[in-house]
Amino acid sequence: GESVGLHLPTLSVQEGDNSIINCAYSNSASDYFIWYKQESGKGPQFIIDIRSNMDKRQGQRVTVLLNKTVKHLSLQIAATQPGDSAVYFCAEIRMDSSYKLIFGSGTRLLVRP
Amino acid sequence: DTEVTQTPKHLVMGMTNKKSLKCEQHMGHRAMYWYKQKAKKPPELMFVYSYEKLSINESVPSRFSPECPNSSLLNLHLHALQPEDSALYLCASSQSSSGNNEQFFGPGTRLTVL
Repeated sequence: GESVGLHLPTLSVQEGDNSIINCAYSNSASDYFIWYKQESGKGPQFIIDIRSNMDKRQGQRVTVLLNKTVKHLSLQIAATQPGDSAVYFCAEIRMDSSYKLIFGSGTRLLVRP
Repeated sequence: DTEVTQTPKHLVMGMTNKKSLKCEQHMGHRAMYWYKQKAKKPPELMFVYSYEKLSINESVPSRFSPECPNSSLLNLHLHALQPEDSALYLCASSQSSSGNNEQFFGPGTRLTVL
């Protein structure tokens, strides 16, 4: 993995506010990016994906933005709800690594009621 | 059925034990994966099976032995593990192992090695 340190970065937001979770990736050859949500005691769950030829993709209450110039990915969650509390991982598929899915270090989102 | 199931949910084993983790999917996916996830860390790829053949082994120690009996099942045989092998073991599947295919994850098996 590419994570460092023993503590997950944490984002605390008020219920109803918008959340922005950021991720930096390192490989310019990556072709496909995915955001996963992992709740306690569960496996990662697909949220939204984006291909490298796009810079924005919208889903239901979620938007992913891709800035290839600075190798930055973000996940925006509108009107954050308590059920959004989880750890969020960005992941990339590297075309030069047999299409392996490589996860970023993760961010914990805490939603305050 | 869009679910990946894993058994058992929890497993405690000694360093001399032999045990197996099981994974099953009925989505017709031809690629299946094992990941290891330590606390507060992202999942790390261990093995990839494509069309029931091992295609990627991420330099995993031989005390972990994967097996794919058929296209729906994936096992991970464990023998002589170490306490540092304690982790959440996740299974995933996708339509194929190439291209940009979404991977569906199971809930994992929480393994504790004493």
